[in-house]
Amino acid sequence: DTGVSQDPRHKITKRGQNVTFRCDPISEHNRLYWYRQTLGQGPEFLTYFQNEAQLEKSRLLSDRFSAERPKGSFSTLEIQRTEQGDSAMYLCASSQAQGAYEQYFGPGTRLTVT
Amino acid sequence: GESVGLHLPTLSVQEGDNSIINCAYSNSASDYFIWYKQESGKGPQFIIDIRSNMDKRQGQRVTVLLNKTVKHLSLQIAATQPGDSAVYFCAERFYGNKLVFGAGTILRVKS
Repeated sequence: DTGVSQDPRHKITKRGQNVTFRCDPISEHNRLYWYRQTLGQGPEFLTYFQNEAQLEKSRLLSDRFSAERPKGSFSTLEIQRTEQGDSAMYLCASSQAQGAYEQYFGPGTRLTVT
Repeated sequence: GESVGLHLPTLSVQEGDNSIINCAYSNSASDYFIWYKQESGKGPQFIIDIRSNMDKRQGQRVTVLLNKTVKHLSLQIAATQPGDSAVYFCAERFYGNKLVFGAGTILRVKS
């Protein structure tokens, strides 16, 4: 399978705990995106990387959220001190370089904060 | 608690009929639009895209129409099949590289 993969698929955590999610993009894609989706809504942009550089962050990305893409391949999204409002589907997408805007999404990580 | 699709418009069609899903986008400066299909528990799946210098683009069984005058986008699905049942989202790009998604439409196909 050469699509975008995400791990874990589901995560249940208690409020206050830290969680980390991983995304592996399509191998030839140098752009990687994180989105958050709550039930009944479309995905909302969180942040975007070109290679290892984080080029854009949404104001939705509070200081409890941090994303990295250290070698320009896989990326991690960490949420510290989780809150119940963080419960959502976290989606990763990737795309090719400039001029190709279509983004291909992974299956997502469903986070439930109890 | 929340229910999936509680606030989403729903389109119900008979198997074999054509479906038309509409979307109003927000920014007249948007230069790229894309339709995604999302099945329950899965990530959005790319269907078709269109740039702002076009008003129509066709794929396999799908056609996207763009009306920039009224900022309207539509997705036409020919000969709708049960496997087409899903939530459909339009998205626009108007600056940077992020996509801004619409609210979504549920398509239900009756056999």
